Amino acid sequence: GQQVMQIPQYQHVQEGEDFTTYCNSSTTLSNIQWYKQRPGGHPVFLIQLVKSGEVKKQKRLTFQFGEAKKNSSLHITATQTTDVGTYFCAGPHYQLIWGAGTKLIIKP
Amino acid sequence: GAGVSQSPRYKVAKRGQDVALRCDPISGHVSLFWYQQALGQGPEFLTYFQNEAQLDKSGLPSDRFFAERPEGSVSTLKIQRTQQEDSAVYLCASSPVGNGGQGHEQFFGPGTRLTVL
Repeated sequence: GQQVMQIPQYQHVQEGEDFTTYCNSSTTLSNIQWYKQRPGGHPVFLIQLVKSGEVKKQKRLTFQFGEAKKNSSLHITATQTTDVGTYFCAGPHYQLIWGAGTKLIIKP
Repeated sequence: GAGVSQSPRYKVAKRGQDVALRCDPISGHVSLFWYQQALGQGPEFLTYFQNEAQLDKSGLPSDRFFAERPEGSVSTLKIQRTQQEDSAVYLCASSPVGNGGQGHEQFFGPGTRLTVL
């Protein structure tokens, strides 16, 4: 069945460094969604990508959808403490198929 | 407007007890989903309602789990004879569109953290 793999599982960065998480699917995706979950919180929708090769930006966050629509990435420039949390990608299906998430940890 | 609400926020149950978890979706939302999230993992699908119809319950882990949405709004997830492996956060999400909410964001509630002793 359809699977969505996400790497890395964790990423430790110094505040101000960049952060990237990658999402890969075994099948072509009609669209992909990204969510952020703060520690102790619930997933909150960030964005949806639909078109092949699409790039969308939200302030310091850049989202890309691969040309083959099988992979996606989220890049955060100059991380801040407010970015801490787990970032999930989710592929479309009858219900969303979620990656395991990448936890962004800011080094003290 | 109000978002998705869930109650209780925390539930501690002794093994073997029955529990009922409630979800109030955003008013008018057609699709409602239940997910189970274990610590450090992504949400795992449990069941899906379109209005009052339970269209998919393939993710329910056993026949001890039962969900209903009788009037197409509030939903209840019931777990009978709870086991320690049922300990998790149970998330409810809703979407204004049908068809599994495809192509539309899901709005999540705060979750119910269930601990089974």
